[in-house]
Amino acid sequence: AQKVTQAQTEISVVEKEDVTLDCVYETRDTTYYLFWYKQPPSGELVFLIRRNSFDEQNEISGRYSWNFQKSTSSFNFTITASQVVDSAVYFCALRVILTGGGNKLTFGTGTQLKVEL
Amino acid sequence: NAGVTQTPKFQVLKTGQSMTLQCAQDMNHEYMSWYRQDPGMGLRLIHYSVGAGITDQGEVPNGYNVSRSTTEDFPLRLLSAAPSQTSVYFCASSYTENSYNEQFFGPGTRLTVL
Repeated sequence: AQKVTQAQTEISVVEKEDVTLDCVYETRDTTYYLFWYKQPPSGELVFLIRRNSFDEQNEISGRYSWNFQKSTSSFNFTITASQVVDSAVYFCALRVILTGGGNKLTFGTGTQLKVEL
Repeated sequence: NAGVTQTPKFQVLKTGQSMTLQCAQDMNHEYMSWYRQDPGMGLRLIHYSVGAGITDQGEVPNGYNVSRSTTEDFPLRLLSAAPSQTSVYFCASSYTENSYNEQFFGPGTRLTVL
């Protein structure tokens, strides 16, 4: 069975602080994909990044960076110099192929990030 | 492209009523799915479809039916609403069922069952 754990339920930081959101996953599949989604107060789900299980390169996109480590089954997300607009719930998700076809996106329970002035 | 659209945005039902949540996408995506989001539980897969005419159950299918008569539409039917179905429902689509495809999510439907 697949599982995604986001142990941090809520994080509060002051603007311009760096913050790391943790994600630990479990799967027996050798091929899988990891995702991060942002859910702002408006409620929609915004895709941030996708990473496949064979690519452990870290990625940086502006103030966002992701650290994927298969050895620890972690896919952590860091926001540098946080801003109030970063306030949202962030979901880590794992996608694997289901037996018989189809696929399943397993979400973590999310981390509520609050960035205050 | 409008992307993934969902209607209605909000709905209040009484226990025992039935209704259909609509989902449509205009991206010619083969794969569509329904999730429900509950506090502290993330999103959970209800049903999915890998193409027109093909549907299958996700992890929480009880109380819900789906059909996929066209590529564009994937309605979710609540047969007899229960308070436990109070949730936010998201429809999603991706190009194919392959796991590398990014899923695009609709704006969600907030359902309350009294």
